[in-house]
Amino acid sequence: SQKIEQNSEALNIQEGKTATLTCNYTNYSPAYLQWYRQDPGRGPVFLLLIRENEKEKRKERLKVTFDTTLKQSLFHITASQPADSATYLCALVPLRNAGNMLTFGGGTRLMVKP
Amino acid sequence: DTAVSQTPKYLVTQMGNDKSIKCEQNLGHDTMYWYKQDSKKFLKIMFSYNNKELIINETVPNRFSPKSPDKAHLNLHINSLELGDSAVYFCASSSGQGDPYGYTFGSGTRLTVV
Repeated sequence: SQKIEQNSEALNIQEGKTATLTCNYTNYSPAYLQWYRQDPGRGPVFLLLIRENEKEKRKERLKVTFDTTLKQSLFHITASQPADSATYLCALVPLRNAGNMLTFGGGTRLMVKP
Repeated sequence: DTAVSQTPKYLVTQMGNDKSIKCEQNLGHDTMYWYKQDSKKFLKIMFSYNNKELIINETVPNRFSPKSPDKAHLNLHINSLELGDSAVYFCASSSGQGDPYGYTFGSGTRLTVV
């Protein structure tokens, strides 16, 4: 069966450290993978998109890697801040999926302590 | 201006009732979606719709139906509401596959069926 797995346990880190979140998928061949941030009571907010032919993508303090062999994406936040505390979701669209139906992992909650 | 707006934000109703949730986007996007987020915070795609086709997730009961009066609106109708329909429903839009800006989500409608 097709799965997108993220660590369901909360990740607690100290301010200033690098947070690394993992997204693993099985039985998909995605054309691209996306990362979103969700705060309580709000809708997900798009952060980054990485395509299957890209190894790494950066945006300010964020970095995403995409290994199609390992079927894994890593999401890094450098110099983390308490304001980065939120739930982070990875999502993908299968390569030949009609309707662009983005499928989400269960999310990982990040807590950055001052 | 809110890019994707949903109304109402909260909806409490009795079992067996029929209700609608409205969604409007002012981004000029071609495709709109409905997602359901359950108590465990999993986001599940329900529908994908553009002016050419409707894609329905096969797990969605036929009591749920999307209605699109025009490209900027995708409303969700739910008939014969059940307790298990209680969740947060998110509307989203995108400009197409591989959208480098990702999906834009509304702030959600919390539906409680009593």
